Amino acid sequence: KAGVTQTPRYLIKTRGQQVTLSCSPISGHRSVSWYQQTPGQGLQFLFEYFSETQRNKGNFPGRFSGRQFSNSRSEMNVSTLELGDSALYLCASSSGMYSGNTIYFGEGSWLTVV
Amino acid sequence: SQQGEEDPQALSIQEGENATMNCSYKTSINNLQWYRQNSGRGLVHLILIRSNEREKHSGRLRVTLDTSKKSSSLLITASRAADTASYFCATDANTGNQFYFGTGTSLTVIP
Repeated sequence: KAGVTQTPRYLIKTRGQQVTLSCSPISGHRSVSWYQQTPGQGLQFLFEYFSETQRNKGNFPGRFSGRQFSNSRSEMNVSTLELGDSALYLCASSSGMYSGNTIYFGEGSWLTVV
Repeated sequence: SQQGEEDPQALSIQEGENATMNCSYKTSINNLQWYRQNSGRGLVHLILIRSNEREKHSGRLRVTLDTSKKSSSLLITASRAADTASYFCATDANTGNQFYFGTGTSLTVIP
């Protein structure tokens, strides 16, 4: 069974641009969540989608948005990029609706904003 | 912040020794999960322990949970150089699949 797949793995953007990251969950998983990891703040929850609906959202500005498609694939978008958005963005998927199931992470997308 | 904290922040041991990492958290939980992260990579799931469980084993890993103290520990026995990584605990936020991650313990196993 294929794991969580994230694309692209690495990208460099300029301040003010926008970026879209993609995540394909494990087959059959309907929950997809996104996390931002930085050396200073650690791993922080961005949002979670379940069956195309956003269920939870972390404490991030509105420049961070996401969506989930009917095949459970998810995208997150960051508009008007700032230097501080440089981070590893991790996608995770889970089979269940609630937290009793293991969540599996992808390899992440490294975003550098210059 | 409801983020947990791991202790110690960094740990360096010789191959073959045991490594113990601790995690403390702030609110009641349904379950706690431990993850490993190799430098620059994604997180690899190690163990999930539920709030009604006190101890769980998986291979060389032993996890304990003390909900009265809001703490958990991860023991890696007979460590190997390949165990060198950062280890994180994650606690559920009681809302869907949102988790709070600790600050991580950086483990170095010296061959």
